[in-house]
Amino acid sequence: QVQLVQSGAEVKKPGASVKVSCKASGYTFTGYYIHWVRQAPGQGLEWMGRINSNSGGTNYAQKFQGRVTMTRDTSVTTAYMELSRLTADDTAVYYCARDVHFDWWGRGTLVTVSS
Amino acid sequence: EIVLTQSPATVSLSPGERATLSCRASQTVSTFLAWYQQKPGQAPRLLIYDASNRATGIPARFSGSGSGTDFTLTISSLEPEDFAVYYCLQRSNWYTFGQGTKLEIK
Repeated sequence: QVQLVQSGAEVKKPGASVKVSCKASGYTFTGYYIHWVRQAPGQGLEWMGRINSNSGGTNYAQKFQGRVTMTRDTSVTTAYMELSRLTADDTAVYYCARDVHFDWWGRGTLVTVSS
Repeated sequence: EIVLTQSPATVSLSPGERATLSCRASQTVSTFLAWYQQKPGQAPRLLIYDASNRATGIPARFSGSGSGTDFTLTISSLEPEDFAVYYCLQRSNWYTFGQGTKLEIK
């Protein structure tokens, strides 16, 4: 069945970068977009952007332009999201989700930004 | 940016009752709207896509309706496992989520 397995929790200092991975299985990886969504503690869901797993083309939410980079490696069916210049406001659970309907989600990766 | 406003913010109901959750868009999204359920410590789960289509494995007590700017998620008879937070998402103009409605046990 479809699975999206994310990398483990991270603790970063302000100003650092974090890279989260999302390994896909159970379907044709290149046939679907992967989206990244984050959720700050006790807050709602926020779309960050998406990557075309086939072409590698990306679209980012304006809020994250210049600070986020989404990539993929088709050889290992894995998508990546790197966020730079971290601040405490970036403390959140980061999710990957599949396709236009966000029909499958990873379990999330907690990123904590603290000095 | 399209803003989605969900109401109410919190609703308290009992098992067996009917739940009606609303999502209003700041401009038309046609039927490009989905609903998700999220329980504490879990990822969201797709319930309804394109306004009225139930996702695979979703019970028939969940239904969605609406088009344009006004949408409704209805749970016909609440089961104990339905108490959670519900989010709407539009994909008409990029993607934005509503702020969520918490469905709690009365």
